[in-house]
Amino acid sequence: AQSVTQPDIHITVSEGASLELRCNYSYGATPYLFWYVQSPGQGLQLLLKYFSGDTLVQGIKGFEAEFKRSQSSFNLRKPSVHWSDAAEYFCAVGRNQAGTALIFGKGTTLSVSS
Amino acid sequence: DADVTQTPRNRITKTGKRIMLECSQTKGHDRMYWYRQDPGLGLRLIYYSFDVKDINKGEISDGYSVSRQAQAKFSLSLESAIPNQTALYFCATSDSGQGTYGYTFGSGTRLTVV
Repeated sequence: AQSVTQPDIHITVSEGASLELRCNYSYGATPYLFWYVQSPGQGLQLLLKYFSGDTLVQGIKGFEAEFKRSQSSFNLRKPSVHWSDAAEYFCAVGRNQAGTALIFGKGTTLSVSS
Repeated sequence: DADVTQTPRNRITKTGKRIMLECSQTKGHDRMYWYRQDPGLGLRLIYYSFDVKDINKGEISDGYSVSRQAQAKFSLSLESAIPNQTALYFCATSDSGQGTYGYTFGSGTRLTVV
């Protein structure tokens, strides 16, 4: 069965600094991979997704993520964090075929300091 | 209007009561899902449905039931609510077509069982 690990429960980054949120997955074949963001009191919004092809994917709000098969990772990055990026971030994995639902990691809470 | 609407937004109920959470969508998606979110545990899958005649249990289905009344409606019931079912519940939808695998989430229902 597939699974997702987000090793960092809480990260604090200074405004303007770069950000990397880690995500490791467990799945035997090439997975579908996603990053979602949840602002306080809100639902979840899709930041980006990877299905196949170029391993560096661009998303909304200046985020990008890189799929590394050898490391079973799909880390989320942003070159310069803004205070509005403070939120909870979830990595999710799905099988690359019909018939499954997404499995989510436990989330990483990002705080942005001024 | 929101693409995925959950009602109610907030609900307080007593232990032992039956409660139904409703989800409706205007996305035209065939797949619908119920997740619950607890602090530190991320989102965990309760039930999912890939079409009106298809219902599948997720990882934490005990104590819950669902009904897919139409393609656009997917309800979650707690037959006899207990305090550890206090959580934030999310409905999500997705399209089974290739390349459109990402979910659209509702805004959530915050349920408190006292």
